[in-house]
Amino acid sequence: DTEVTQTPKHLVMGMTNKKSLKCEQHMGHRAMYWYKQKAKKPPELMFVYSYEKLSINESVPSRFSPECPNSSLLNLHLHALQPEDSALYLCASSLQRAATNEKLFFGSGTQLSVL
Amino acid sequence: KNEVEQSPQNLTAQEGEFITINCSYSVGISALHWLQQHPGGGIVSLFMLSSGKKKHGRLIATINIQEKHSSLHITASHPRDSAVYICAVGLFGGSQGNLIFGKGTKLSVKP
Repeated sequence: DTEVTQTPKHLVMGMTNKKSLKCEQHMGHRAMYWYKQKAKKPPELMFVYSYEKLSINESVPSRFSPECPNSSLLNLHLHALQPEDSALYLCASSLQRAATNEKLFFGSGTQLSVL
Repeated sequence: KNEVEQSPQNLTAQEGEFITINCSYSVGISALHWLQQHPGGGIVSLFMLSSGKKKHGRLIATINIQEKHSSLHITASHPRDSAVYICAVGLFGGSQGNLIFGKGTKLSVKP
């Protein structure tokens, strides 16, 4: 299994809703990442988990709350989002550590629309 | 000036043509990544390299560390190669896992 699985694929939510994005991998990878990608722009790193501990939070607003319950799962909890948060949210993983010379495996993303 | 520059921004080719996409960077790197993104989202890592040349099927990636330049070549291009190709670099001493991305090259291969 060489996949990173993200659910849901699409999500529409209101500004008062609470929702969660889920990411799962069974490759034994110990680093997992959340990226945000606006249309026609490159991905922007949001969070990095290394060995299930949050190692990087790239100044992301608190309305985004990551969680890593175990080494295979990564969640992104969403609350009180703004329309400008509408984007493609990508999860990725890498084998050993959160390093820039590790190959990244990406999921297919969750396309989020905030109304 | 962007730290990672890709050219061209857009590329249209006929099926069967040889394609080259270029990436230049201005910083010291630990590795350079070539990524492919199809419409609708998912990103696939094509290559990660820090020196020399790698080949996978019809794809070839090269890097010249001294010149801070990398190229991605596609031989015998096919319409299914149509995608955005993104160059990304990891810095020496940079934030863990934080890559600097180029703006991407949108490739369209016509049958």
